Amino acid sequence: GENVGLHLPTLSVQEGDNSIINCAYSNSASDYFIWYKQESGKGPQFIIDIRSNMDKRQGQRVTVLLNKTVKHLSLQIAATQPGDSAVYFCAETTTSYDKVIFGPGTSLSVIP
Amino acid sequence: KAGVTQTPRYLIKTRGQQVTLSCSPISGHRSVSWYQQTPGQGLQFLFEYFSETQRNKGNFPGRFSGRQFSNSRSEMNVSTLELGDSALYLCASSLVRGTTDTQYFGPGTRLTVL
Repeated sequence: GENVGLHLPTLSVQEGDNSIINCAYSNSASDYFIWYKQESGKGPQFIIDIRSNMDKRQGQRVTVLLNKTVKHLSLQIAATQPGDSAVYFCAETTTSYDKVIFGPGTSLSVIP
Repeated sequence: KAGVTQTPRYLIKTRGQQVTLSCSPISGHRSVSWYQQTPGQGLQFLFEYFSETQRNKGNFPGRFSGRQFSNSRSEMNVSTLELGDSALYLCASSLVRGTTDTQYFGPGTRLTVL
């Protein structure tokens, strides 16, 4: 498959700190990117998206940054809370929706 | 309004059997996509249905198939099950096709193949 995720990267942050989760995407033709949050026992939940004509987009406590030059995407969570503990996935696709490719995911653990 | 529902939530089958999973999208949503999630391969796109037609398909063998009904409900079928088919199968729905709209995921069906 396209996502070989033998070991899930883990990020531990102190409650109240900011979190930054990174993702390298693979297809230079991808023009639409999404971040999902998946809590244990649940399906992924949409957090925020960004199109390739933007390099930054802000939501509530979250910011996504897109660097097309190096094919890098990041998710910043401000004032991280225990409820933010989950696995975060980035996904890339094209607006013609040929294919969706998910990153391997990052496990975020918030220390109270 | 109710979210995406998937049935059954858990399923145990043996090798060689076939299985059918069901997904009911959010009311009014016409696009349904299916994904397979495993610890080793992560989340992988299976296929997308819109208006009862398969619009896109991921890199999975022909044993994986699906369909969509006129009420947008979708089923996926896996024939001749293999141990490696053990996974969480997720369904997502959106109002319109693909990336033009937010996808909402169901809780998944956990399939175990013995």
